[in-house]
Order: sequence, then structure tokens, then C-alpha cells
Amino acid sequence: KAGVTQTPRYLIKTRGQQVTLSCSPISGHRSVSWYQQTPGQGLQFLFEYFSETQRNKGNFPGRFSGRQFSNSRSEMNVSTLELGDSALYLCASSLFASGITDTQYFGPGTRLTVL
Amino acid sequence: DAKTTQPTSMDCAEGRAANLPCNHSTISGNEYVYWYRQIHSQGPQYIIHGLKNNETNEMASLIITEDRKSSTLILPHATLRDTAVYYCIVRVVSGSARQLTFGSGTQLTVLP
Repeated sequence: KAGVTQTPRYLIKTRGQQVTLSCSPISGHRSVSWYQQTPGQGLQFLFEYFSETQRNKGNFPGRFSGRQFSNSRSEMNVSTLELGDSALYLCASSLFASGITDTQYFGPGTRLTVL
Repeated sequence: DAKTTQPTSMDCAEGRAANLPCNHSTISGNEYVYWYRQIHSQGPQYIIHGLKNNETNEMASLIITEDRKSSTLILPHATLRDTAVYYCIVRVVSGSARQLTFGSGTQLTVLP
């Protein structure tokens, strides 16, 4: 079974631009979570989507948004990019089925550099 | 989610067992212990998880103390490819706060 895929793998943008990152979950997984990893702050939770609805959100400004499609694929968008948004953005998918321990599996990440 | 405490770094000789400790003294009854690892600049890789019983899979063993306040991840025969940052995480698996809360982890270096 194919793992979580993220596109693009690398991205360079300039301040003020916006960016959209894409995540395809493992087949059959219905929940997608996004995380940001920076050297200073480590791995931080952005948001989680299930059934096209945001279920949970971390402590990030409104410039960070996301959505999920009916096929469970997800996108996240960052508007008005700042230098501090340079990071590895990670997507994780899980089954989200009740009664089981719901393990999250990560993709390889998208490395975003803001100049 | 409960806070975890891990050593900042550890070394292990290739071929020997690597034992990575984790303290989670404030863990709640409905929180599981999860272990992930991250090889430089790659996405975190799931290793193993458990609630209160010891667990073993093809990658590692997880030993949880009876009071659940600490655990140890065991890599039975460490190889150079096991060099990574290892994260111990405690989390609930249902409800709205299911996200993983990563700490600083333990940098494991396997030496030839």
C-alpha cells in the first residue's frame, strides 16, 4: 500500500506571496493532519481534517488554512508569506475509526523556503 | 496530553541493543505511549505504541512500567540506519485533541 504523498517536495517563495501544499493520504485513511517543523519551535500541530471538516486546530494565525476533499486528499494554504514560515510542512494520515488506536503516518514533507 | 521527558542524546554501538527511556509521570489512564523516529529532514516514522502491556513488533519492543509513569523503547540490534531523533509521545486516541505533541526527543547515534 502506498504511503502518504506530499507535493511539491521543495518550494521557494518570496515574502508576501501565498502557497498551496498538497497531501494524498494512505488509501482508506480518512483523517489528515498537518504539522510545521522549524529548528526553533520543533514539530507543531497545525490542524486536522476529517470528512472535509476541520476538527481541530493548533495555535497558528489565520494565514494558515486548509481544506479536505471528498476523496480525503488535503491541501493547506499559507497566505502573505513571512520569512518565519520557512519550514518543513508535514502531513499525516490516519484511519480515524472508532474503537481502535488511531496511528498517524507521516509523509516526506514539503520544504518551504521564504526569501 | 501528558508531558514527556527524554534524554537529549544517546550513543549505541552497532549491533548492540539501544534502550531509549522516557518519563511520563502525569500520564492519564486513557493516554497511550507512542514512539516515532525522524531521520534527518524526513517525515517522522511510526515505530510502536502501547497502553499498559509490553509490545513488540518487527522494529522494536516497548516496555511500559506497571505504574505507567515511564517506558523504554528497545531496538534489539541497532544499525547505522537507526541513527535518528526518537520521540516519545503520550496521547489520547479519540476525541477532538488527538494531535501528536512532539517534544525535543532523543538523538540516537549508532556508532560503527
